[in-house]
Amino acid sequence: EVQLVESGGGLVQPGGSLRLSCAASGFTFSSYSMSWVRQAPGKGLEWVSYISGSGSTIHYADSVKGRITISRDNAKNSLYLQMNSLRAEDTAVYYCARGHSYGYENWGQGTLVAVSS
Amino acid sequence: DIQMTQSPSSLSASVGDRVTITCRASQSISTYLNWYRQKPGRAPNLLIYAASSLQSGVPSRFSGGGSGTDFTLTISSLQPEDFATYYCQQSYSNIPTFGQGTKVEIK
Repeated sequence: EVQLVESGGGLVQPGGSLRLSCAASGFTFSSYSMSWVRQAPGKGLEWVSYISGSGSTIHYADSVKGRITISRDNAKNSLYLQMNSLRAEDTAVYYCARGHSYGYENWGQGTLVAVSS
Repeated sequence: DIQMTQSPSSLSASVGDRVTITCRASQSISTYLNWYRQKPGRAPNLLIYAASSLQSGVPSRFSGGGSGTDFTLTISSLQPEDFATYYCQQSYSNIPTFGQGTKVEIK
C-alpha cells in the first residue's frame, strides 16, 4: 500500500524558516516524480513545486520561487521542502503527492504551516 | 500560466441526481486534464486522469470528457459520499494549475 506521511509543519514567525518532510513507502520511490501542493484555509489547491524521480528536474510556482527548495533522498525514501522567508500568505496545509502528467494519484494527509507573529 | 476556470462554483443536488461540472482552460491542453474530489478535512482523491480515464478503484458513476480547452466531469447518480468539492487540474505545462473548485451540496 502506498503511504505518504508529511511532517515538520508548525507555527513560525514571518521571515522564519521551516523544513517539511514526506516519508514514502509501498512503492519504488526513486521511480516516481513528486510534488508539493498546498491549500490555504478555506481556499483551493495550489501547486507549489515538482521534482523528478532522479532529482535532476525541478520546477517551482512563481509565488514561492527563490524562497523554497525542493529536494529528495531516494536512499531514505523521503521528499523535502525547505521554506525560507515565510510570509503570512504561505499559511496552508502542505501535501506531498505522487504522480505528474496523469494526475496526483496518491496524497499524504497534509501538514499545517501557520505563519504568524 | 494556464488558467483553469470551473463552473458552476457551487451547486445543490439530491441523491440520485445526474451532475455535470465543466472546466475550461485558457489555452489548449490536449487531454492533460485531471479531476479530484475533496471531502472536508481530507486530502484530494484522483477520480479521472487524461480527461476521460477512470482512476483505479473509482466508481463507474464518475466519467470525464473533453479535449483542447473544454472538459466535463459527470456523476451519473449522486451518492451521499459525493457531497464534496471537485477540482480540475491541468498537467500539460511545467506549472500545473487547478480550477477554483466546485462545491456540491445537498439540496
